[in-house]
Amino acid sequence: QSVLTQAPSASGTPGQRVTISCSGSSSNIGNNYAYWYQHLPGTAPKLLIYRNDQRPSGVPDRFSGSKSGTSASLAIGGLRSEDEADYYCATWDDSLNARVFGGGTKLAVL
Amino acid sequence: EVQLLESGGGLVQPGGSLRLSCAASGFTFTGYAMSWVRQAPGKGLEWVSATSGGGGNSYYADSVKGRFTIFRENSKNTLFLQMNSLRDEDTAVYYCAKDDWGQLSPNNYFDYWGQGTLVTVSS
Repeated sequence: QSVLTQAPSASGTPGQRVTISCSGSSSNIGNNYAYWYQHLPGTAPKLLIYRNDQRPSGVPDRFSGSKSGTSASLAIGGLRSEDEADYYCATWDDSLNARVFGGGTKLAVL
Repeated sequence: EVQLLESGGGLVQPGGSLRLSCAASGFTFTGYAMSWVRQAPGKGLEWVSATSGGGGNSYYADSVKGRFTIFRENSKNTLFLQMNSLRDEDTAVYYCAKDDWGQLSPNNYFDYWGQGTLVTVSS
């Protein structure tokens, strides 16, 4: 069981805005940066957001991240069919002395 | 262009050993910490281990501590994961990932990933 909690699934229609949440605790998200990765099965995962709200070059500004207290969120605006993927939050856990991932949220674009 | 190419996966019996490799190119290998992350069938991502750019510091997830060893051969731009005493629950796709800088830090993140190599532990 992951120390970071994500809803197992989310969905939206093309053009919509969807938000994926990641809930942690004071020993992980509450005291460290949050990161977001996109993963299409069979491919290499891709960094979407680093240090809570920073986008690497090449990631569209439709993707945005935020953090508040012990939770982090990923928002995807102007949803497209190619956004259908699994999304993972990640951070460092001070108690476990380990990098940790959320369980992942499978996004469906209906 | 950063490229990470894993190899060495396969079928191994419980209790057996396997060594994974990750050939890196497109960046100064010694300048960056590297990690292994795995995904069991139908499950999410799980961080396994990380090592600093020089290879002098490493750390492991509790689930593999004492059984897996991460090391690197910087002269050959290659990262390794030696896996011993393998268990059924180690069955997964193993990904090699590049950290964003050379030292191990709670603030590190994975900025590039490989395509993965499948390890199946089964009798």
